[in-house]
Amino acid sequence: EIVMTQSPATLSVSPGERATLSCRASQNVSDDLAWYHQTPGRAPRLLIYGASTRATGVPPRFSGSGSGTDFTLTVSSLQSEDFAVYFCLHYNDWPYTFGQGTKVEIK
Amino acid sequence: EVQLVESGGGLMQPGGSLRLSCVGSGFSVSKNSMNWVRQAPGKGLEWVSSLHPGGDTLYADSVRGRFTISRDKSKNTLYLQMNSLRAEDTAVYFCARDLFMGGQGTLVTVSP
Repeated sequence: EIVMTQSPATLSVSPGERATLSCRASQNVSDDLAWYHQTPGRAPRLLIYGASTRATGVPPRFSGSGSGTDFTLTVSSLQSEDFAVYFCLHYNDWPYTFGQGTKVEIK
Repeated sequence: EVQLVESGGGLMQPGGSLRLSCVGSGFSVSKNSMNWVRQAPGKGLEWVSSLHPGGDTLYADSVRGRFTISRDKSKNTLYLQMNSLRAEDTAVYFCARDLFMGGQGTLVTVSP
């Protein structure tokens, strides 16, 4: 099983600032990597798939990069609705596995 | 617009059975990879099971042999039959079309 490790566990950022989240895979997952964000009581929302492709309706302030084992999600200018927990997911091989999450909180 | 509506959750005793449903609209359940993902209270996410358009099924080790994923083309509905339920199956269950999870989920609680 591929283990996905996210860092940091918590990120404190002021509104309008940039946030950079990391996700590392224990094995090569090519670009089969997705990012989600989740607010309490809601389903995870797909932000990025294929490591760098924004899902339908996702604002351009969200961008993803990376390939292989190291991936990054950048939120260029945090809005109030962006304070949430972010998860990465690899879907390169079964079982698909999520990272443990990064909580982005208001500084 | 793609919509997913899960239902069927509830409180069950250990060893019991439950069937979850996910009704899709705006797309064909049988022509997409359909999936179940769960989240234990206050915890992270686990990809539980997948059903591909060709009929291939995949299960996490934690549920293999106890859960069965299936679909009904005529009802455009995905199912998860959950048998031999355990306390550790307690979670909100989301269905997903490919990587997209659009519903609110359904809560399954397994407790004596």
